[in-house]
Amino acid sequence: AQSVTQLDSQVPVFEEAPVELRCNYSSSVSVYLFWYVQYPNQGLQLLLKYLSGSTLVKSINGFEAEFNKSQTSFHLRKPSVHISDTAEYFCAVSDLRAGGTSYGKLTFGQGTILTVHP
Amino acid sequence: GAVVSQHPSRVICKSGTSVKIECRSLDFQATTMFWYRQFPKQSLMLMATSNEGSKATYEQGVEKDKFLINHASLTLSTLTVTSAHPEDSSFYICSARASSGGIEQFFGPGTRLTVL
Repeated sequence: AQSVTQLDSQVPVFEEAPVELRCNYSSSVSVYLFWYVQYPNQGLQLLLKYLSGSTLVKSINGFEAEFNKSQTSFHLRKPSVHISDTAEYFCAVSDLRAGGTSYGKLTFGQGTILTVHP
Repeated sequence: GAVVSQHPSRVICKSGTSVKIECRSLDFQATTMFWYRQFPKQSLMLMATSNEGSKATYEQGVEKDKFLINHASLTLSTLTVTSAHPEDSSFYICSARASSGGIEQFFGPGTRLTVL
C-alpha cells in the first residue's frame, strides 16, 4: 500500500515570489509520481509526472518537480508565481506493478491550496 | 486529445431518489475507468475501479449496492447513487485510462451532487 503526505494544507505567497509545495510518499514498491492541479469546481488537470529517466520534470507553465528516491519526496516548485496559479495542488502516486489489481490506482495526498496575492 | 466528460455537472435531488452520473471518454477508448469522491476541502478518495465488460472492483468501505457502476462500452461508465441521502452529497470525479496503454489517468470535470 502507498501513502502520500502533503505537509502544507495552505501556502499563501505574493505574486512573483518563489514557491515550493512539499510532497512525501511511502511505498513498498516502485511508483510513478504525479502532480495535479484543481481549479474551483473543476476536475483535476495533470501538471507533471515522473515515470522514469531524469529525476527533474518540468511543466509548460514553469512548474518543476524533482524525484528524490532517498528522501521519498517529489516537491513541486516554481521560481515566480502568478495570480493565475491560485488553485489546489495534489500530489499522487501510482502502483508500478503491471497486471495486479492495484495497477494504475492513484493514491492522493491531502492537497495544498496555493493562494497567490497581488 | 484525451478528453473525459461527465454528465451532469451538477445535480440536486431529494433524499431517497437515485441519481445516475455518466463518464465518457470522448476521443479515446478506455478499458479502465475510476470513480472518485471528494468531500469539501479533502482529497480524492478512490471508490471503485471500473473495467469494461466486467464487474467493478470496489474499495474497502464502499457499498457496492449503493454505488452501482456499469461500464458497458469502451467509452462510457456510469455511477448510480441509489437511495441517495444527504451524506452522499459530494463531488464525484471519474477518470479514464486509455486502452492503448500507459498508466496515466485523464480526469473528468466532476459532478456536484447535492441531496436534500
